[in-house]
Amino acid sequence: AQSVAQPEDQVNVAEGNPLTVKCTYSVSGNPYLFWYVQYPNRGLQFLLKYITGDNLVKGSYGFEAEFNKSQTSFHLKKPSALVSDSALYFCAVRDRSNYQLIWGAGTKLIIKP
Amino acid sequence: GAGVSQSPSNKVTEKGKDVELRCDPISGHTALYWYRQSLGQGLEFLIYFQGNSAPDKSGLPSDRFSAERTGGSVSTLTIQRTQQEDSAVYLCASSTSAQYGGDQPQHFGDGTRLSIL
Repeated sequence: AQSVAQPEDQVNVAEGNPLTVKCTYSVSGNPYLFWYVQYPNRGLQFLLKYITGDNLVKGSYGFEAEFNKSQTSFHLKKPSALVSDSALYFCAVRDRSNYQLIWGAGTKLIIKP
Repeated sequence: GAGVSQSPSNKVTEKGKDVELRCDPISGHTALYWYRQSLGQGLEFLIYFQGNSAPDKSGLPSDRFSAERTGGSVSTLTIQRTQQEDSAVYLCASSTSAQYGGDQPQHFGDGTRLSIL
């Protein structure tokens, strides 16, 4: 069965430190990969996507993600965390032959001053 | 506005009542999705509309749930005879065509927070 795993329910990082939010997937073929962020009482906002090409993709708010095909991972990263980055982050994957996104369970990111 | 609009933003109702939730997608977006999100949890897919094609209703949890999309634009999600377990945030998203595995992201509204007393 196709699935997306975000192994950490919560990640705590000190402001100014680098952050990583992990995502691995089990989807056939060469899927499209997405990251979304959700702030309290808001809908999800698109951050970035991987379609093809360079394994490192850059997105909004200084975030980037690294695609690793052999490890079937798509970890979200940021070199220097801000308190305002505190939010819920979702990884999602789409099989290229399907319209449906397969969602991870989300990771709560807490950035401490 | 340019974004996905959902109304109402909050809805409190008594168990057994019917509720209607509205979604106004981004103009020109042919794909529309409804999701349910329990407090602080992940997304549960409910239903998908693509243009004039028959909707994918495979995620609807029971026959008390239904949705329609009129004129390829506004969508209404209806829950009949509401139960307490229906309490959640209902999110709507739209995108340009998602057929054949399109790479376009989904754009979300801020959701309707439904509370069943």
